[in-house]
Amino acid sequence: DIQMTQSPSSLSASVGDRVTITCQASQDISNYLNWYQQKPGKAPKLLIYDASNLETGVPSRFSGSGSGTDFTFTISSLQPEDIATYYCQQYDNLPQTFGPGTKVDIK
Amino acid sequence: QLQLQESGPGLVKPSETLSLTCTVSGGSISSSSYYWGWIRQPPGKGLEWIGSIYYSGSTYYNPSLKSRVTISVDTSKNQFSLKLSSVTAADTAVYYCARQFRDAGGPTRYWGQGTLVTVSS
Repeated sequence: DIQMTQSPSSLSASVGDRVTITCQASQDISNYLNWYQQKPGKAPKLLIYDASNLETGVPSRFSGSGSGTDFTFTISSLQPEDIATYYCQQYDNLPQTFGPGTKVDIK
Repeated sequence: QLQLQESGPGLVKPSETLSLTCTVSGGSISSSSYYWGWIRQPPGKGLEWIGSIYYSGSTYYNPSLKSRVTISVDTSKNQFSLKLSSVTAADTAVYYCARQFRDAGGPTRYWGQGTLVTVSS
């Protein structure tokens, strides 16, 4: 299985701050990498697919980049509604696997 | 608007079989390019893909669960189902059904609301 790691595991930032989360795959996954946002008690929501493509309807403050083994997810200006846990997910090889998540809250 | 809804018992005894059904509305389960999957999340933990099925019946399972999992599809009812046998407390989780695009692990735009299944005697 391809192992996905994320850092940090949690972060606290102020409204308006730029927030960056990194995700690393244990082997080359090209750009088969998605990012999800999950709020408590809710299903995950797709934000970014194929590493850098913004899902329709998702605010442009969210972005993703990277390829191969190293990926970055950025919130350009943190908003109160962005409080959530963020997961990366690879689907280059089955089983698809998720990172452990990064919990984001407001300082 | 596509909607998915999980249904099934919320409590299952150890060693028994967990059975869930996902009913799809607002779209056809027979659409090409889409796979129908199950993903679970133990309380307070991360996400684990269980498996997926294509409308033709082709199945894809997580090797870690493969010996205990069966996913099936009923196109006439626009439903797909999960059976997980010999459950233990470690199978306690919120179970989500979802639609995946392009691949059994592809971008998952549509999710059910999730259903908590507790394994306990």
